[in-house]
Amino acid sequence: EVQLVESGGRLVQPGGSLRLSCAASGPIFRRCWMSWIRQAPGKRPEWAAHTNPDGRDKYYVDPVKGRFTISKDNVENSLYLQMNSLRVDDTAVYYCVCWADQASLNFWGQGTLVTVSS
Amino acid sequence: DVVLTQSPLSLPVTLGQSASISCRSSQSLLYSDGNTYLNWFHQRPGQSPRRLIYKVFNRDSGVPERFSGSGSGTDFTLRISRVEAEDVGVYYCIQHTYWPHTFGPGTKVEIK
Repeated sequence: EVQLVESGGRLVQPGGSLRLSCAASGPIFRRCWMSWIRQAPGKRPEWAAHTNPDGRDKYYVDPVKGRFTISKDNVENSLYLQMNSLRVDDTAVYYCVCWADQASLNFWGQGTLVTVSS
Repeated sequence: DVVLTQSPLSLPVTLGQSASISCRSSQSLLYSDGNTYLNWFHQRPGQSPRRLIYKVFNRDSGVPERFSGSGSGTDFTLRISRVEAEDVGVYYCIQHTYWPHTFGPGTKVEIK
């Protein structure tokens, strides 16, 4: 099993930057495909970014391409999301999610709220 | 992008009765490795989603046997037999066969 704890969410102005962190504990983190999945108020969840176990392959949805960067550190047992040029529609709870062992295992953090507003 | 549609979007159920939710995909979710990456999640208000079913019919650890998944290709079903009060919330199907991975719109289950 792996425990995931997100941090870094806060109120930020449009155009600003923010870095989210996800601290992982448990022996399987390095086997995890990791995602940042976000959920705007009252909406369905949406993938933002995704990376493979060694952190080299990265995938982004179109609305965040060129603005967000996902990174995985298997030494520090951490996942990050650098978010630049933030927009009002980036407002959401951001979840850190692990998929391991051919997706037979799945773990979520409690989420961190990002609010983009002037 | 793969579009998932769910029906119904709202499902009032009687305690102890069964319930079914349909999920249809805009294209087959069968991956080249032979697996079909269609999952079902449950979310209660203010909580993180919790996975119930993975790869169509496999129950996650700790998920009651009253939850079952079936289907293939583009048509999938989540069935809840003997609905209990704790089953209320929103149910999502999600696919991660193709990038971008996508969620269905959700089905809100409530007790009559």
